[in-house]
Amino acid sequence: DTAVSQTPKYLVTQMGNDKSIKCEQNLGHDTMYWYKQDSKKFLKIMFSYNNKELIINETVPNRFSPKSPDKAHLNLHINSLELGDSAVYFCASSQYDRSTDTQYFGPGTRLTVL
Amino acid sequence: DAKTTQPTSMDCAEGRAANLPCNHSTISGNEYVYWYRQIHSQGPQYIIHGLKNNETNEMASLIITEDRKSSTLILPHATLRDTAVYYCIVTTSGTYKYIFGTGTRLKVLA
Repeated sequence: DTAVSQTPKYLVTQMGNDKSIKCEQNLGHDTMYWYKQDSKKFLKIMFSYNNKELIINETVPNRFSPKSPDKAHLNLHINSLELGDSAVYFCASSQYDRSTDTQYFGPGTRLTVL
Repeated sequence: DAKTTQPTSMDCAEGRAANLPCNHSTISGNEYVYWYRQIHSQGPQYIIHGLKNNETNEMASLIITEDRKSSTLILPHATLRDTAVYYCIVTTSGTYKYIFGTGTRLKVLA
């Protein structure tokens, strides 16, 4: 069973379109994340949700809107796609603990904007 | 900015131990050292983490210096499948994010 899954794996779309990426975790975790890895391979946090509440929004354009319908899902909707949005997007999850913070990552969604 | 510095790349012969260093001189008392790896463009894979004691699991060993300002990840018998980018991350609970550096690209040679 895949612990953190994302759909789709690949997404090719035109500039200006709106698209969504879905993430699900079956680990029973209470915290979920979206990271972006650009063409230079830098991995950067975008959003963090704890118990469906937004905790971190790292100055991401408001064209990106995460939605957490429940603790097991965190979806990412992107409006008016731009060329610069092309990247690999990774979802992750963790269980809040007073001491540790081990995150488990999904396989990624490669988004290509033409 | 990442709180860690790592060499950009390293090579290791197959079957030998791979020792990957990481400097984290500004680490604070409640921060853990985590290691992840990313094989090709897959999702980062958790390897090991520690606070101050050395740790070992089925994948690797983590050696943390007594002053906690640096650490070394040891893959005891590297295989070709260990070729990946290895990230050292310093973080604490409640931060709700990892700050990734550029990592070390480890190439295991046949």
